[in-house]
This record gives sequence, C-alpha cells and structure tokens, in this order.
Amino acid sequence: DAKTTQPPSMDCAEGRAANLPCNHSTISGNEYVYWYRQIHSQGPQYIIHGLKNNETNEMASLIITEDRKSSTLILPHATLRDTAVYYCIVRTNTGGFKTIFGAGTRLFVKA
Amino acid sequence: DTEVTQTPKHLVMGMTNKKSLKCEQHMGHRAMYWYKQKAKKPPELMFVYSYEKLSINESVPSRFSPECPNSSLLNLHLHALQPEDSALYLCASSRRGRGLTNEKLFFGSGTQLSVL
Repeated sequence: DAKTTQPPSMDCAEGRAANLPCNHSTISGNEYVYWYRQIHSQGPQYIIHGLKNNETNEMASLIITEDRKSSTLILPHATLRDTAVYYCIVRTNTGGFKTIFGAGTRLFVKA
Repeated sequence: DTEVTQTPKHLVMGMTNKKSLKCEQHMGHRAMYWYKQKAKKPPELMFVYSYEKLSINESVPSRFSPECPNSSLLNLHLHALQPEDSALYLCASSRRGRGLTNEKLFFGSGTQLSVL
C-alpha cells in the first residue's frame, strides 16, 4: 500500500479556504486518493476521491499533481464545523478491501 | 437510507463478561468492516467481510469474534477482554465490486467500549 504523509495540524480562519496537503510519492497507477474527515466523537465521513483529474463536489475540491505524488484537499470557505481530523488515504485493490488510515491532519478553524 | 447504525453507543463490561456489538446497514452494501480506534489515534482495521464471508482478519486476538449473519448485519462478539481493549469500535460498509478501487466507506458513529 502506498503510504501518505500529512502535516499533524493546521489552522484556518473561518471563511477562508483551507488547503490540506498530502504526499503519496509511492502511489501506484491504479490507486485512488481518498479523503475522509472525523469530527470529534463521530465516525469518519467520506469527503472526496480521485485518480488523476481534479475533482469537486459540494464539500470540497481535490487537486492531484500531474505526477500523482501529492494532492491537496481544498475546503473553499471553512466554517467552525469543519474543525476535524482529515485523513488522506490511498486505496489499494490488492489483498482485498483495505482502507488504512494514517495519522491525518488536525484542522482547527478559528473565528 | 445512507446510514450505518451501531448499537449500543456505550458499553461497560467486566473482563469476565460476554457482550456483542451490532452494526446494521440497508444500503445493499456487500462489504462490511470493523475498526478499532484508541483516543487521539487513527482507526485501525480489524476485520473485513465481503459477501458475508470473512476476507481479512488483521491478526486480531481471538477474544474478538466477528459474525456476519446476513448482508445487512455485522456483529462483534466480545469475551474475556482486557482493559487495554477499551476503545471506540467503528463499523463501516461499502458497495463492493470485484476489481473496483474507487469505493467509499460509510461509517457508523461507533460503540465506546470500556473494559473494567
């Protein structure tokens, strides 16, 4: 499985864009990049995923570099409710159905 | 219905007790998962069921016994647990399809387990 590296914590001002980076330099050609977040005392919540192209949905945008070795999750207008741990995961298809969580980034959105 | 429902939300048990955690989904998903999460740590994969068959056991001690009676239900039977097993136990499900790499997991809110 490709490993991911994320900063342990980040701050963001309410209303500003939050840009969360993730490095996955050993990603394979058929592996997708997923992002989940976990708000305190809740289960993780799927945000977005992508393979090569940039993706956008109602929650966020995902920018993947051309070499696919890194990506950035963008929350365009962060709110206090976006304070959470954000996990960048590379999803493997070998050996079954493993989604393995790394340490993640703790995002603090401040008023 | 896009929910994964876990019961109970909280459980306190002694080291000699036998208890069970329950997880249910009605999204037609054919893969179901158990994760364990200690405080301030990421979730750790324990078991994966695919089409009601156990496909992954991440070397979990035998005091944890999973069961998948049907495609909507997943249980985790607990027996002779230790205090260090106290954690948040999360259930998840996904659609499942052979060869797919783009599957998202839907998580329940978890069962907070305390072993005394």
